[in-house]
Amino acid sequence: DTEVTQTPKHLVMGMTNKKSLKCEQHMGHRAMYWYKQKAKKPPELMFVYSYEKLSINESVPSRFSPECPNSSLLNLHLHALQPEDSALYLCASSQVAEKYQETQYFGPGTRLLVL
Amino acid sequence: KNEVEQSPQNLTAQEGEFITINCSYSVGISALHWLQQHPGGGIVSLFMLSSGKKKHGRLIATINIQEKHSSLHITASHPRDSAVYICAVCRPGGGADGLTFGKGTHLIIQP
Repeated sequence: DTEVTQTPKHLVMGMTNKKSLKCEQHMGHRAMYWYKQKAKKPPELMFVYSYEKLSINESVPSRFSPECPNSSLLNLHLHALQPEDSALYLCASSQVAEKYQETQYFGPGTRLLVL
Repeated sequence: KNEVEQSPQNLTAQEGEFITINCSYSVGISALHWLQQHPGGGIVSLFMLSSGKKKHGRLIATINIQEKHSSLHITASHPRDSAVYICAVCRPGGGADGLTFGKGTHLIIQP
């Protein structure tokens, strides 16, 4: 199983809502990543989790709150988002984060629209 | 200047043509990835290279570390190859730094 799954596929939320994005992999990977991709732009790294601990937070606003409850699951909690946060949110995983030359496996993404 | 530059940005070709997409980078890397993104979002990893050349089906990827340049070739192109092709580099620190992405090449193969 070389699949990274993400739910939901699409999400529409108001600026006062609280929602969560979910990412799951069962490849035994110990590194998981959140990327944000705006239309016609390359993905931008948001967070890196290594062995269930947050190792990188790329100056992401606190309205985005990541959580890694176990080695297979990565959540992104959303609260009080702004319309400019509308984007495709991609999750990826790799065997480990520290070792170089690790292939990252990407999920299909969650397309988020903030009204 | 972006750390990862791709060319061309857009490419339209006829079915059967040989396609080349180029990637140049200006930072030290441990590996370079070629990724494919279809409309709708999902990204598929095509190749990961640290030296030389790799081939998978009709796709060939090469990298020249000294020149900091990589190319992705598609032989006998087909309309289903239409997608955005993204070059991404992995810093020497490994995946802990995430990937640094190029802006992508939007490829359209016409029947």
